[in-house]
Amino acid sequence: DARVTQTPRHKVTEMGQEVTMRCQPILGHNTVFWYRQTMMQGLELLAYFRNRAPLDDSGMPKDRFSAEMPDATLATLKIQPSEPRDSAVYFCASGRDEEREQFFGPGTRLTVL
Amino acid sequence: GEDVEQSLFLSVREGDSSVINCTYTDSSSTYLYWYKQEPGAGLQLLTYIFSNMDMKQDQRLTVLLNKKDKHLSLRIADTQTGDSAIYFCADRSGGGADGLTFGKGTHLIIQP
Repeated sequence: DARVTQTPRHKVTEMGQEVTMRCQPILGHNTVFWYRQTMMQGLELLAYFRNRAPLDDSGMPKDRFSAEMPDATLATLKIQPSEPRDSAVYFCASGRDEEREQFFGPGTRLTVL
Repeated sequence: GEDVEQSLFLSVREGDSSVINCTYTDSSSTYLYWYKQEPGAGLQLLTYIFSNMDMKQDQRLTVLLNKKDKHLSLRIADTQTGDSAIYFCADRSGGGADGLTFGKGTHLIIQP
């Protein structure tokens, strides 16, 4: 049963610290998406990749957030420095160009104190 | 910009049908999706519909699309306690962008 995996599942950190979230897309999927879920804003698209190339990161605060795909099996989302307003659940999703589904991981719940 | 709207809550009795409604503004939407989120969990894709279709049925789920009114609905027949969750409507633009735009989600509450 192929699934998107994310680590860590929970992260509590202090303001100013660096946070790195990891995602392993489903094998064979060539598109990867990062979403953020908060009570106030709901689900928002932060960034996405196709064939490891970043295509759109307009939803991401550029000064502190960065997203990369070092290889086809790993996507990372980094926040440096973190702020309390970054507290949210961060979801990774993957899919294939020729198909229309996006499959979501279980999310990383981030709390910045 | 794009907008997807849903009611925040829906309460139904067990065994009845649930109808969750959604409206969207992007006329170039190509695909529309329904996701389910249970407490503390990720989003589970339930079904999706292509914009040139007006209905899709999958077991207890029926999706209706009125493209003229930009209205999407999800009907769950014979609602069970296990259907209790938040249901998200999302659309995918036809403008080349692949990311989904989500509504705020509808909390489906099942009464015994």
